[in-house]
Amino acid sequence: EDQVTQSPEALRLQEGESSSLNCSYTVSGLRGLFWYRQDPGKGPEFLFTLYSAGEEKEKERLKATLTKKESFLHITAPKPEDSATYLCAVLLQGAQKLVFGQGTRLTINP
Amino acid sequence: DGGITQSPKYLFRKEGQNVTLSCEQNLNHDAMYWYRQDPGQGLRLIYYSQIVNDFQKGDIAEGYSVSREKKESFPLTVTSAQKNPTAFYLCASSIVGRPEAFFGQGTRLTVV
Repeated sequence: EDQVTQSPEALRLQEGESSSLNCSYTVSGLRGLFWYRQDPGKGPEFLFTLYSAGEEKEKERLKATLTKKESFLHITAPKPEDSATYLCAVLLQGAQKLVFGQGTRLTINP
Repeated sequence: DGGITQSPKYLFRKEGQNVTLSCEQNLNHDAMYWYRQDPGQGLRLIYYSQIVNDFQKGDIAEGYSVSREKKESFPLTVTSAQKNPTAFYLCASSIVGRPEAFFGQGTRLTVV
């Protein structure tokens, strides 16, 4: 069964304390991996798409990387405004729909 | 500005009643989706459509229905057959062949 697992479920950091969020997947065939940010009560906001192992994408304090089994979202020197739930999703070969992980709730304390 | 508009933002329904959630997009996207989000769970796909007058069931379609009469619109009806309808509902759209989906702001449905 195709599965996407994110860890940790929740993470609290101090402002400026860098860390990484993990998204591991066991799927029959990966066509792409996506990261979204979701603020409370809002819809997810698209961040990155990664298509092949070794690929990296960056946006401000965020950098996403992809291996054959997992993806990491690295956050460098985070600020309180980076607090949100980060969602990972995969697109399977031959499919048009995304399979989502359960998300990591990130809190950055000032 | 281009985007996806969901309405209403909050919706209350009595048990046994059907209710329709609106989703409109002006991004000229062919594909549209409905997801359900429950606390501590990932988004689960209810229905999706890649072209007008055609749609497919997702992973949790029971108790829901949709229509796609116009490219811009993809309303979702939550029927009385849905046993646990209280949830946050998200509509999304994408270009067919470009899988990045863009989401609306959601509708929170509460059954009272």
